[in-house]
Amino acid sequence: DGGITQSPKYLFRKEGQNVTLSCEQNLNHDAMYWYRQDPGQGLRLIYYSQIVNDFQKGDIAEGYSVSREKKESFPLTVTSAQKNPTAFYLCASRMGGTGFSETQYFGPGTRLLVL
Amino acid sequence: GNSVTQMEGPVTLSEEAFLTINCTYTATGYPSLFWYVQYPGEGLQLLLKATKADDKGSNKGFEATYRKETTSFHLEKGSVQVSDSAVYFCALSSINAGNNRKLIWGLGTSLAVNP
Repeated sequence: DGGITQSPKYLFRKEGQNVTLSCEQNLNHDAMYWYRQDPGQGLRLIYYSQIVNDFQKGDIAEGYSVSREKKESFPLTVTSAQKNPTAFYLCASRMGGTGFSETQYFGPGTRLLVL
Repeated sequence: GNSVTQMEGPVTLSEEAFLTINCTYTATGYPSLFWYVQYPGEGLQLLLKATKADDKGSNKGFEATYRKETTSFHLEKGSVQVSDSAVYFCALSSINAGNNRKLIWGLGTSLAVNP
């Protein structure tokens, strides 16, 4: 089955610790996105990547970092500089190139909690 | 800049009631418009979309018409079910000066359907 997987489903972070959230897609999509969702709020864009080896900051990039070394993978690291990391993190992807579409497809999300 | 405004929730309805969730937008050019649905604890799923003025998107009994004259994309369903209880997000496509494509999101509207 084609789709987007995120792991783990729940993640716990200690004070001062960096943690990495995984996002993998087998849809052959070019673009990938990371969003943060807080309770009762909408989606806020953290980082996005239109193509391998390239990425751009979104609206709330401070305290986060990403890499895009492979087309199918777009991991997000929540660094110790992010002082309020507790949230639901969503990864999405979108077809580019000749099969271009504006539609984003989402993974199931990772809930990050601070101990 | 581009923006999306959704009616505030929560919306509470009885089963078989008629549903309308209002969405209006501000945008330059001719964006595509989307409705996504999020069930508790899950990622977002595309519900329907429309790519040009007067297009009607439809899926699972839900409909929305792209109205350029009123800059609206209201979501409707004639008879809601308990299983429709979820958060609904309106979004529009956006492209910035760097040719990077994103979705601009509304804050979401929570729907609760009682039996």
